[in-house]
Amino acid sequence: DAKTTQPPSMDCAEGRAANLPCNHSTISGNEYVYWYRQIHSQGPQYIIHGLKNNETNEMASLIITEDRKSSTLILPHATLRDTAVYYCIVRVREKLVFGKGTKLTVNP
Amino acid sequence: NAGVTQTPKFQVLKTGQSMTLQCAQDMNHEYMSWYRQDPGMGLRLIHYSVGAGITDQGEVPNGYNVSRSTTEDFPLRLLSAAPSQTSVYFCASSYSLGGRGSADTQYFGPGTRLTVL
Repeated sequence: DAKTTQPPSMDCAEGRAANLPCNHSTISGNEYVYWYRQIHSQGPQYIIHGLKNNETNEMASLIITEDRKSSTLILPHATLRDTAVYYCIVRVREKLVFGKGTKLTVNP
Repeated sequence: NAGVTQTPKFQVLKTGQSMTLQCAQDMNHEYMSWYRQDPGMGLRLIHYSVGAGITDQGEVPNGYNVSRSTTEDFPLRLLSAAPSQTSVYFCASSYSLGGRGSADTQYFGPGTRLTVL
Protein backbone atom coordinates (compact mmCIF):
# COMPACT_ATOMS: atom_id res chain seq x y z
CA ASP A 1 0.00 0.00 0.00
CA ALA A 2 1.37 3.37 -0.99
CA LYS A 3 2.07 5.90 1.72
CA THR A 4 3.08 9.52 1.38
CA THR A 5 5.67 11.68 3.10
CA GLN A 6 5.41 15.47 3.28
CA PRO A 7 7.32 18.16 5.18
CA PRO A 8 5.29 19.28 8.21
CA SER A 9 5.47 22.99 7.38
CA MET A 10 6.54 25.48 4.73
CA ASP A 11 6.48 29.23 4.31
CA CYS A 12 5.98 31.25 1.16
CA ALA A 13 5.89 34.96 0.37
CA GLU A 14 2.68 36.32 -1.06
CA GLY A 15 2.82 36.50 -4.84
CA ARG A 16 5.56 33.93 -5.12
CA ALA A 17 5.21 30.33 -6.24
CA ALA A 18 4.67 27.76 -3.53
CA ASN A 19 6.19 24.35 -4.28
CA LEU A 20 4.97 21.57 -2.01
CA PRO A 21 6.82 18.25 -2.29
CA CYS A 22 5.51 14.76 -1.64
CA ASN A 23 7.23 11.40 -1.65
CA HIS A 24 5.22 8.29 -2.54
CA SER A 25 7.95 5.79 -3.30
CA THR A 26 5.73 2.71 -2.99
CA ILE A 27 2.97 3.91 -5.29
CA SER A 28 1.62 1.33 -7.71
CA GLY A 29 1.62 1.88 -11.44
CA ASN A 30 -2.11 2.51 -11.70
CA GLU A 31 -2.56 4.60 -8.56
CA TYR A 32 -3.40 8.27 -8.86
CA VAL A 33 -1.91 10.97 -6.67
CA TYR A 34 -4.45 13.41 -5.22
CA TRP A 35 -3.91 16.75 -3.56
CA TYR A 36 -6.39 18.28 -1.15
CA ARG A 37 -6.16 21.24 1.15
CA GLN A 38 -7.89 22.15 4.38
CA ILE A 39 -8.35 25.77 5.29
CA HIS A 40 -8.78 26.28 9.02
CA SER A 41 -11.16 23.55 10.23
CA GLN A 42 -13.24 23.40 7.08
CA GLY A 43 -13.79 20.20 5.13
CA PRO A 44 -10.87 19.28 2.84
CA GLN A 45 -11.07 20.72 -0.64
CA TYR A 46 -9.97 18.90 -3.77
CA ILE A 47 -7.16 20.62 -5.71
CA ILE A 48 -5.81 18.35 -8.43
CA HIS A 49 -4.88 14.78 -9.26
CA GLY A 50 -2.58 12.97 -11.69
CA LEU A 51 -1.31 9.59 -12.78
CA LYS A 52 1.81 9.99 -14.91
CA ASN A 53 1.65 13.26 -16.78
CA ASN A 54 1.93 16.73 -15.36
CA GLU A 55 -1.44 18.34 -14.77
CA THR A 56 -2.66 21.91 -14.50
CA ASN A 57 -5.98 23.42 -13.57
CA GLU A 58 -7.22 26.80 -12.41
CA MET A 59 -5.91 26.23 -8.90
CA ALA A 60 -2.53 24.58 -9.28
CA SER A 61 -0.07 22.50 -11.25
CA LEU A 62 1.06 18.98 -10.42
CA ILE A 63 4.47 17.74 -11.44
CA ILE A 64 5.03 13.98 -11.17
CA THR A 65 8.51 12.54 -11.59
CA GLU A 66 9.07 10.02 -14.33
CA ASP A 67 9.53 7.17 -11.85
CA ARG A 68 6.33 8.36 -10.06
CA LYS A 69 8.02 8.17 -6.68
CA SER A 70 7.46 11.82 -5.91
CA SER A 71 5.39 14.79 -6.96
CA THR A 72 5.24 18.54 -6.42
CA LEU A 73 2.19 20.72 -6.11
CA ILE A 74 2.76 24.21 -7.42
CA LEU A 75 0.63 27.21 -6.50
CA PRO A 76 1.96 29.72 -9.06
CA HIS A 77 1.10 32.95 -7.27
CA ALA A 78 0.34 32.23 -3.63
CA THR A 79 -2.08 34.49 -1.80
CA LEU A 80 -2.85 34.83 1.90
CA ARG A 81 -5.99 32.76 1.28
CA ASP A 82 -3.79 29.81 0.26
CA THR A 83 -2.63 29.42 3.86
CA ALA A 84 -3.82 25.91 4.67
CA VAL A 85 -2.78 22.32 5.32
CA TYR A 86 -2.05 20.54 2.05
CA TYR A 87 -2.48 16.79 1.81
CA CYS A 88 -0.84 14.53 -0.75
CA ILE A 89 -2.84 11.30 -0.95
CA VAL A 90 -2.83 8.04 -2.82
CA ARG A 91 -5.64 5.57 -2.89
CA VAL A 92 -5.15 2.43 -0.82
CA ARG A 93 -7.63 -0.14 -2.05
CA GLU A 94 -11.04 1.40 -1.29
CA LYS A 95 -9.69 4.23 0.83
CA LEU A 96 -7.97 7.57 0.54
CA VAL A 97 -5.39 7.58 3.32
CA PHE A 98 -4.59 11.03 4.70
CA GLY A 99 -1.30 11.80 6.41
CA LYS A 100 -0.64 14.91 8.49
CA GLY A 101 0.03 17.05 5.43
CA THR A 102 2.09 20.21 5.03
CA LYS A 103 1.07 23.39 6.80
CA LEU A 104 1.68 26.15 4.24
CA THR A 105 1.83 29.67 5.59
CA VAL A 106 1.73 32.47 3.04
CA ASN A 107 3.29 35.61 4.47
CA PRO A 108 2.54 39.19 3.33
CA ASN B 1 -26.66 20.81 -5.89
CA ALA B 2 -26.21 21.15 -2.14
CA GLY B 3 -23.22 18.77 -2.29
CA VAL B 4 -22.45 16.99 0.97
CA THR B 5 -24.41 18.17 3.98
CA GLN B 6 -23.85 17.26 7.61
CA THR B 7 -25.96 17.81 10.69
CA PRO B 8 -25.59 18.93 13.37
CA LYS B 9 -22.70 21.39 13.08
CA PHE B 10 -21.97 21.25 16.80
CA GLN B 11 -22.91 18.73 19.47
CA VAL B 12 -22.08 18.24 23.14
CA LEU B 13 -22.73 14.85 24.70
CA LYS B 14 -22.26 13.33 28.09
CA THR B 15 -20.28 10.13 28.47
CA GLY B 16 -22.47 7.15 27.71
CA GLN B 17 -25.00 8.98 25.58
CA SER B 18 -25.70 7.84 22.04
CA MET B 19 -26.35 9.92 18.97
CA THR B 20 -26.38 9.85 15.20
CA LEU B 21 -24.43 12.18 12.95
CA GLN B 22 -26.25 12.73 9.69
CA CYS B 23 -24.65 12.90 6.25
CA ALA B 24 -26.41 13.32 2.92
CA GLN B 25 -25.31 13.95 -0.65
CA ASP B 26 -27.32 14.82 -3.73
CA MET B 27 -24.72 13.97 -6.38
CA ASN B 28 -25.72 10.31 -6.83
CA HIS B 29 -22.34 9.21 -5.54
CA GLU B 30 -21.83 5.54 -4.82
CA TYR B 31 -18.94 5.93 -2.41
CA MET B 32 -19.37 7.59 0.99
CA SER B 33 -17.11 7.70 3.99
CA TRP B 34 -16.69 9.07 7.50
CA TYR B 35 -13.47 10.54 8.88
CA ARG B 36 -12.52 11.95 12.23
CA GLN B 37 -9.92 14.63 12.76
CA ASP B 38 -8.30 15.22 16.12
CA PRO B 39 -6.41 18.44 16.87
CA GLY B 40 -3.19 18.73 14.87
CA MET B 41 -3.82 15.45 13.11
CA GLY B 42 -4.78 14.37 9.64
CA LEU B 43 -8.05 12.67 8.83
CA ARG B 44 -8.58 9.07 9.89
CA LEU B 45 -11.11 6.87 8.15
CA ILE B 46 -13.83 5.43 10.40
CA HIS B 47 -16.19 3.60 8.04
CA TYR B 48 -16.96 3.69 4.35
CA SER B 49 -19.55 2.42 1.91
CA VAL B 50 -19.19 1.54 -1.76
CA GLY B 51 -22.94 1.52 -2.36
CA ALA B 52 -26.33 1.11 -0.74
CA GLY B 53 -26.37 -1.88 1.57
CA ILE B 54 -22.57 -2.22 1.62
CA THR B 55 -20.36 -0.89 4.42
CA ASP B 56 -16.88 -1.66 5.67
CA GLN B 57 -14.52 -0.63 8.42
CA GLY B 58 -11.79 1.92 8.07
CA GLU B 59 -8.83 2.65 10.28
CA VAL B 60 -10.65 3.54 13.53
CA PRO B 61 -14.10 1.86 13.54
CA ASN B 62 -14.45 0.98 17.24
CA GLY B 63 -17.35 2.71 18.97
CA TYR B 64 -19.12 3.63 15.72
CA ASN B 65 -21.80 2.00 13.59
CA VAL B 66 -22.93 2.84 10.09
CA SER B 67 -25.60 1.73 7.66
CA ARG B 68 -26.38 2.66 4.06
CA SER B 69 -30.02 2.09 3.24
CA THR B 70 -30.10 4.67 0.43
CA THR B 71 -27.55 6.10 -1.98
CA GLU B 72 -28.03 9.56 -0.54
CA ASP B 73 -27.64 9.00 3.20
CA PHE B 74 -24.84 7.60 5.34
CA PRO B 75 -25.46 8.17 9.07
CA LEU B 76 -22.78 7.56 11.70
CA ARG B 77 -23.94 6.28 15.08
CA LEU B 78 -22.06 6.66 18.32
CA LEU B 79 -23.26 3.83 20.51
CA SER B 80 -21.98 5.02 23.91
CA ALA B 81 -20.05 8.25 23.67
CA ALA B 82 -16.64 8.50 25.33
CA PRO B 83 -14.37 11.54 25.82
CA SER B 84 -11.91 9.95 23.36
CA GLN B 85 -14.51 10.49 20.65
CA THR B 86 -14.28 14.25 21.01
CA SER B 87 -13.29 15.25 17.50
CA VAL B 88 -14.38 16.86 14.27
CA TYR B 89 -16.22 14.44 12.01
CA PHE B 90 -16.23 14.79 8.23
CA CYS B 91 -18.37 12.95 5.74
CA ALA B 92 -17.22 12.61 2.14
CA SER B 93 -18.55 11.16 -1.10
CA SER B 94 -17.34 10.35 -4.59
CA TYR B 95 -18.62 8.59 -7.69
CA SER B 96 -16.29 5.70 -6.96
CA LEU B 97 -13.00 4.79 -5.39
CA GLY B 98 -11.82 2.31 -7.92
CA GLY B 99 -8.75 4.03 -9.24
CA ARG B 100 -10.47 5.91 -12.03
CA GLY B 101 -8.99 9.33 -11.46
CA SER B 102 -11.64 12.01 -11.62
CA ALA B 103 -14.39 9.64 -10.53
CA ASP B 104 -12.55 9.11 -7.25
CA THR B 105 -12.43 12.80 -6.32
CA GLN B 106 -13.97 13.08 -2.87
CA TYR B 107 -16.22 15.94 -1.84
CA PHE B 108 -16.30 16.75 1.84
CA GLY B 109 -19.01 18.11 4.05
CA PRO B 110 -18.46 21.04 6.46
CA GLY B 111 -17.96 18.80 9.48
CA THR B 112 -19.61 18.15 12.84
CA ARG B 113 -17.74 19.31 15.92
CA LEU B 114 -18.46 16.85 18.73
CA THR B 115 -17.49 17.26 22.37
CA VAL B 116 -18.00 14.44 24.84
CA LEU B 117 -17.85 15.44 28.48
